[in-house]
Amino acid sequence: GENVEQHPSTLSVQEGDSAVIKCTYSDSASNYFPWYKQELGKRPQLIIDIRSNVGEKKDQRIAVTLNKTAKHFSLHITETQPEDSAVYFCAASTQDNDMRFGAGTRLTVKP
Amino acid sequence: SAVISQKPSRDICQRGTSLTIQCQVDSQVTMMFWYRQQPGQSLTLIATANQGSEATYESGFVIDKFPISRPNLTFSTLTVSNMSPEDSSIYLCSVNTGGETQYFGPGTRLLVL
Repeated sequence: GENVEQHPSTLSVQEGDSAVIKCTYSDSASNYFPWYKQELGKRPQLIIDIRSNVGEKKDQRIAVTLNKTAKHFSLHITETQPEDSAVYFCAASTQDNDMRFGAGTRLTVKP
Repeated sequence: SAVISQKPSRDICQRGTSLTIQCQVDSQVTMMFWYRQQPGQSLTLIATANQGSEATYESGFVIDKFPISRPNLTFSTLTVSNMSPEDSSIYLCSVNTGGETQYFGPGTRLLVL
């Protein structure tokens, strides 16, 4: 089955700096890659996603890149703000909606 | 996206008892899922709740321990049976409205003493 690895497990940046979180997946059949943000005590919220027919997608300060050949995808947050502090999860899913999550990255943005 | 609610939001239970968690969606959805999130951990899929048929369980999860119902396209229940402290977790339902994207309910925080 699918195995998703996520790095780093914790990330601390200064406000205004960029943050990058990386994930790799094992199942070449995976074709959908969402990213979720989970604030303390709250539900995971979808922040951006990318499908396998696209190499990059951007939404304001957030961007995701996908390298299908290498089976890795990354989340990039620019101009970080304290409210970006949360746990971020990557996931990979096949057409069967078999979604597997990475272990998570705890991002801390210091004011 | 759909509005998803879960009941109860939290509970404290005694070992050996069972708890049924409800997931309600405000519109018909294609698929419903149940996840477990242990403290400080990632999300682990328990099962896919199939409307009108038995749920599809992931490796490590069995129907006797986590019976699931889905009587219609907007509602599902997950029961945690014969609970032990190791079952203390957040249980989340998620829904898929037709594409690949899953949206999560607010979760049920369970503590087993």
